[in-house]
Amino acid sequence: GIQVEQSPPDLILQEGANSTLRCNFSDSVNNLQWFHQNPWGQLINLFYIPSGTKQNGRLSATTVATERYSLLYISSSQTTDSGVYFCAVSFPDSNYQLIWGAGTKLIIKP
Amino acid sequence: IAGITQAPTSQILAAGRRMTLRCTQDMRHNAMYWYRQDLGLGLRLIHYSNTAGTTGKGEVPDGYSVSRANTDDFPLTLASAVPSQTSVYFCASSDSVGGTSSYNEQFFGPGTRLTVL
Repeated sequence: GIQVEQSPPDLILQEGANSTLRCNFSDSVNNLQWFHQNPWGQLINLFYIPSGTKQNGRLSATTVATERYSLLYISSSQTTDSGVYFCAVSFPDSNYQLIWGAGTKLIIKP
Repeated sequence: IAGITQAPTSQILAAGRRMTLRCTQDMRHNAMYWYRQDLGLGLRLIHYSNTAGTTGKGEVPDGYSVSRANTDDFPLTLASAVPSQTSVYFCASSDSVGGTSSYNEQFFGPGTRLTVL
């Protein structure tokens, strides 16, 4: 079946550190999104990135569609970056519905 | 612009009761979705609607129904709630579906926390 796997499941860092979160997917995708779910449960759109590289401030993302993975980079971490980061993808055979990974729980310590 | 609003914010419900979760978007998006998120997990799709007047089943549709009478509203109904439906429910929308256009990007409401006792 279709699989979306994220790693690592948990990550604890000191403020100011850099991190890389990974998302592997099992088939060709036509949509890939990264979200941040903050401690209050709100889902925040970070990137729409089915292929290529994008940057937004301290965050950047790269998707290599041919190798079926995406990376989210967080530089100079701040305590407000804490939360869960989700990768969600859709495949042509899934009627374009988003299938979610289990997330990476990030804790940034001051 | 409000984006997507959901109501209620939270609800405690007795098992066997009927409940409708409301979702309204003001972005004139064609597609809308309902997801549930159980503790510590990613979201799972319940039902979706690619355009007003059409609906489809997602990964976990049993016990839920939806309707899409117009572009803006997409209510989710639990006909007879059971404790396993305790979850956080998110409504989402996108301008379109298909291809790799950024119009497929999904945006989410604030969620409804439902507890069924």
